[in-house]
Amino acid sequence: AQSVTQLDSHVSVSEGTPVLLRCNYSSSYSPSLFWYVQHPNKGLQLLLKYTSAATLVKGINGFEAEFKKSETSFHLTKPSAHMSDAAEYFCVVSDHGQNFVFGPGTRLSVLP
Amino acid sequence: DAEITQSPRHKITETGRQVTLACHQTWNHNNMFWYRQDLGHGLRLIHYSYGVQDTNKGEVSDGYSVSRSNTEDLPLTLESAASSQTSVYFCATARTSGGTDTQYFGPGTRLTVL
Repeated sequence: AQSVTQLDSHVSVSEGTPVLLRCNYSSSYSPSLFWYVQHPNKGLQLLLKYTSAATLVKGINGFEAEFKKSETSFHLTKPSAHMSDAAEYFCVVSDHGQNFVFGPGTRLSVLP
Repeated sequence: DAEITQSPRHKITETGRQVTLACHQTWNHNNMFWYRQDLGHGLRLIHYSYGVQDTNKGEVSDGYSVSRSNTEDLPLTLESAASSQTSVYFCATARTSGGTDTQYFGPGTRLTVL
């Protein structure tokens, strides 16, 4: 069975400082991994995805994530936070069957 | 542009009533999914469909049903609404079932059961 752990329920950073949102996964297969962002009262939008190609994945809005199989991690980073990055972020794992399993989410606050 | 629409966007109902939430997509995707979002749980899968006449139960399917009569629509029915079903419901679609495809999400329906 698959599972996702997002180690922080809430992360707060200052504008212009780096962002690190942590994600660890468990999967019996070679997984596909995704990060989605949800702004308040909105649907979910894909930030980036890993599907067994390059382990460093670049996404939209300057975000990137690195797949580390030995650590079963897929942490999301951004060099410099912007106020518009304040949102809820979800790490998602999918096996090559079908289902997506969502982590509980990390709320990112960006302070001026 | 292709899109996913959900209706209604907000719904208040009473315990015991039947409620149907609509999901319509113009992506022409075979796969459609219903999730509920609750604080601290992320999104949990209710039901999913890989094509017309195909439906499958997800992690939290009790009290919910779906039917797929065409590619574009996957309505979610709460047979007898309960207060525990107060939640935000998201419909999603994906092109294939290979697990690598991006899921695209609708704007959500906020359901309150009194």
